[in-house]
Amino acid sequence: DQQVKQNSPSLSVQEGRISILNCDYTNSMFDYFLWYKKYPAEGPTFLISISSIKDKNEDGRFTVFLNKSAKHLSLHIVPSQPGDSAVYFCAASLQGNEKLTFGTGTRLTIIP
Amino acid sequence: ETGVTQSPTHLIKTRGQQVTLRCSSQSGHNTVSWYQQALGQGPQFIFQYYREEENGRGNFPPRFSGLQFPNYSSELNVNALELDDSALYLCASSSRDSGGYTFGSGTRLTVV
Repeated sequence: DQQVKQNSPSLSVQEGRISILNCDYTNSMFDYFLWYKKYPAEGPTFLISISSIKDKNEDGRFTVFLNKSAKHLSLHIVPSQPGDSAVYFCAASLQGNEKLTFGTGTRLTIIP
Repeated sequence: ETGVTQSPTHLIKTRGQQVTLRCSSQSGHNTVSWYQQALGQGPQFIFQYYREEENGRGNFPPRFSGLQFPNYSSELNVNALELDDSALYLCASSSRDSGGYTFGSGTRLTVV
């Protein structure tokens, strides 16, 4: 039972344009969502998070949007840079529980 | 501030053997979680340790076991290895007091 889904295994975006990565979840009890970035041969690195009491969180070039009614979140990266090329994982957790449930990841490639 | 260190980085074992993977948590972190990432999948939660006790477990059989030591480092032990155990094993440390989740670079286990 895949509770967190990333339906696009890969995405290619021109440098300078906006990258939009999507994530859907099925468990309505999830109340905290995170995005991680992973380079080859490295562990996932925390990027940005959002609590279910918010619908948007912004940090520099990265913005996460949460639509609770649709059980959908998205990560916007603007402008996209070559160093953003990596695999991006969406993850969700329940309040007070540090266990993370991850999606299957989206490989983002930024084309110079 | 040291990060999360995992050893070894790569390992090849034969089906039926036993393996021990090690993790040193980040300074100041008292909780360690282990994840299994199979090829093309997102990390899956195995279990978490807090104050040397197992504190939550995912859907993994009992042949996956662990330990946490007084210095908060941890071991993951897998008995009776199966071919499907081939994966990247990630350790993450965190602090109950301040939150935050830091991943190590992982151990790539291949079972032949």
